Amino acid sequence: DTEVTQTPKHLVMGMTNKKSLKCEQHMGHRAMYWYKQKAKKPPELMFVYSYEKLSINESVPSRFSPECPNSSLLNLHLHALQPEDSALYLCASSHPTSRSYNEQFFGPGTRLTVL
Amino acid sequence: KNEVEQSPQNLTAQEGEFITINCSYSVGISALHWLQQHPGGGIVSLFMLSSGKKKHGRLIATINIQEKHSSLHITASHPRDSAVYICAVSGATNKLIFGTGTLLAVQP
Repeated sequence: DTEVTQTPKHLVMGMTNKKSLKCEQHMGHRAMYWYKQKAKKPPELMFVYSYEKLSINESVPSRFSPECPNSSLLNLHLHALQPEDSALYLCASSHPTSRSYNEQFFGPGTRLTVL
Repeated sequence: KNEVEQSPQNLTAQEGEFITINCSYSVGISALHWLQQHPGGGIVSLFMLSSGKKKHGRLIATINIQEKHSSLHITASHPRDSAVYICAVSGATNKLIFGTGTLLAVQP
């Protein structure tokens, strides 16, 4: 299995809703990433988990809460989002021993719309 | 100035043409990555380079470490090659530094 899966593909939520994005990989990768991508822009790194521990938080607002329950799963919990949070949310994973080479495998993304 | 610069930003080609996209970077790197993203879609890693040249089908990627420059070439371009091509570099951390992307449209 050489892919990263993300669910749901599309999500529409109100500003008072609580929802979660899910990412899964079965490649034995021990680094997992959340990115946010706005239209016509490159991805922006949000969080990095390394060996199930949060290693990088790029000053992301607390309305985004990541969770890594095990080495294959990565969640992003969403609460009280703003319309400007509407974007494509991408998950990626990489092998730990390729730290500096960092070949990342991306999922298809979740298209989030906040009303 | 961005640490990773790509050119051109937009490129329109006719089917069958040879295409070149350029990437220059200003930081020390361990590897350079070429990524492809179709409209509304996820990102696919095309190449990871630390030196020399790699070829995969109609795609060729080269890197010149001394000049801090890489090129992605597409031979015999096809409409299905239409996508955004992103150059990114990696170094000592888990972070990728992305270029702004090149939007390629190949017309039949």
